[in-house]
Amino acid sequence: EPEVTQTPSHQVTQMGQEVILRCVPISNHLYFYWYRQILGQKVEFLVSFYNNEISEKSEIFDDQFSVERPDGSNFTLKIRSTKLEDSAMYFCASRGWGQETQYFGPGTRLLVL
Amino acid sequence: DAKTTQPPSMDCAEGRAANLPCNHSTISGNEYVYWYRQIHSQGPQYIIHGLKNNETNEMASLIITEDRKSSTLILPHATLRDTAVYYCSGGYQKVTFGTGTKLQVIP
Repeated sequence: EPEVTQTPSHQVTQMGQEVILRCVPISNHLYFYWYRQILGQKVEFLVSFYNNEISEKSEIFDDQFSVERPDGSNFTLKIRSTKLEDSAMYFCASRGWGQETQYFGPGTRLLVL
Repeated sequence: DAKTTQPPSMDCAEGRAANLPCNHSTISGNEYVYWYRQIHSQGPQYIIHGLKNNETNEMASLIITEDRKSSTLILPHATLRDTAVYYCSGGYQKVTFGTGTKLQVIP
């Protein structure tokens, strides 16, 4: 069964450093999402992406964040200058055309020191 | 997106049906009801969704009230592996996660 994959599974970085989280959505999907979950808290929507542009973003998704689909398979989330409060689990999701279901990846656990 | 309310926790005996309620009284006409679950810190897993009619798939059944203000997710024969946090969400092609219901299946 096709699935969303994410790399790396864990990332440790120093405050102020840039990080790029990578996702490979399901191959024929057209809608892509990033969510985050701070430890012990609920899953929060960050951004949705369709047709090579952001279709919706939350208040969390400020200028420090950016997303890109650099090729036909990868979907990335970049955090330009990480803060301690960016430590969280980051989930990528994708959805197919005409479908209601979002399929989530296993997540990347980011720890900012 | 609809605001949802779920009980924070529930227990269910293994092999019995688990009935998880959700209130979504602000749901609008074109918004679906989605159910997802999260086991430990894994990625949320889709369970089922519906608009007006009751739905059933290999994982669960979804009962939506006629006024669409609430719904119930039914896991017909809960197993220990169904222990998870269950989220309902009301929206259109978008999932908004609340605090969910932590379901503990007891042997």
